[in-house]
Order: sequence, then structure tokens, then C-alpha cells
Amino acid sequence: QVQLVESGGGLVKPGGSLKLSCAASGFTFSDYFMSWFRQAPGKGLEWVSYIGGGGATINYADSVKGRFTISRDNAKNSLFLQMNSLRAEDTAVYYCARDDSTGYSPHWGQGTLVSVSS
Amino acid sequence: EIVLTQSPGALSLSPGERATLSCRASQFVPSAYVAWYQQKPGQAPRVLIYGASSRATGITDRFSGSVSGRDFTLTINRLEPEDIAIYYCQQYGDSPITFGQGTRLEIK
Repeated sequence: QVQLVESGGGLVKPGGSLKLSCAASGFTFSDYFMSWFRQAPGKGLEWVSYIGGGGATINYADSVKGRFTISRDNAKNSLFLQMNSLRAEDTAVYYCARDDSTGYSPHWGQGTLVSVSS
Repeated sequence: EIVLTQSPGALSLSPGERATLSCRASQFVPSAYVAWYQQKPGQAPRVLIYGASSRATGITDRFSGSVSGRDFTLTINRLEPEDIAIYYCQQYGDSPITFGQGTRLEIK
């Protein structure tokens, strides 16, 4: 079965950096688009970024463009999110998800909490 | 950007009743690419409906989706206590992918 396990969250100061990882199993990783979503405490869901199976197709939400970088290592079945210049408003649970071919996300990890605070 | 507006913000119904959740898009959603997710406290979202009206794998037929123009509806029949959750609509037909603000469903 599809499993997605995020890691790398934690407490970081404003302006700092953090790299999230998502370990995937139970499917042919390179065949699928993958996405990152986030949810601020007590708030709704926000799409952050997606990446195509080969890594060539990438898109970002305006709120993170220029600060976050999505990448993947298909040999290691892993998805990454490098987050730089972090702000308080980036505080959220970050979820990785496997996308369907049309673009919705039927499989989600359990999330990792990122807290940005001095 | 397509803005999705969900209504009502909260809903309180009794077991066995029917819940009707609405999601209005600010503009046409290409291919009716709207999904509905259920999120219970402390859990990741779970997809219920995709393509406006197709049930996801393993989802009971008590959940159904429909569309009329820019208006998308999630219907939950025969409410059960386990349906307590926040429900989000999502459009994935245009970039950026966007979500509604959610409808909180309470069971009396």
C-alpha cells in the first residue's frame, strides 16, 4: 500500500532554513507527480508546490516562490522541500502527497510540523 | 486565481439526517476538476470525491458529489457520528491549486 512519511520539521528562527523529506513506498515513485501542502495551526489547507515524475515540471504557490525549492530523488524514492528565508507565517504542518494523473491528491502523509519563531 | 467559497461555515445535524455542503468557484473550473476532502482532528485529509462527482476508492456511497456551473455540492446521506470532520473543496483545474475555507460538520 502507498506510504508517505515526512520528516525534518522542527523549530527554526525567522530567516532560517529547513529541509523537509518525504519517504515514499508502495508504488513506482518516478511515475507520479508529488506535492507539498501545508496547514497553519487552526487554519485551512494550502497547496505549496508540485513536481513531475521526472523532476522537470515544477510549480510553486506565490507565497513561497523564490524561497522554497522542491526536488526529488527517484533512486531513493524521496521527495524534498528546501525552505529558506522562513517567516512566522510559514509555521504549519507540512504534508507530502502523491497526485493522481489529473491533479488531485489521493494519498497523503501524516505531516511534519514546522514552527518559525524567535 | 480561482477562489472557492464554501457554505455554510458550520453545520450541526442529527444522526440519520442529510448534510448538503456547498462550494462556489469564482470562475469556471476546467474539466470540473474539483475534489472534496474530509479532515478529522489530528489527521491528514482524506479524499472523498474527485472530478466533482466520482467517489474515491473505498469511500461509502453515502458520500456523493455534484456540479451545476460554478457550484459544487457534497452530499452526505444518513449521517453517522464518525462523519464529524471539516470538509474542504479543492480545485485542481487551474494553477494555483486552491482550497475552500472548509465546512465544519458537527453531529448532535
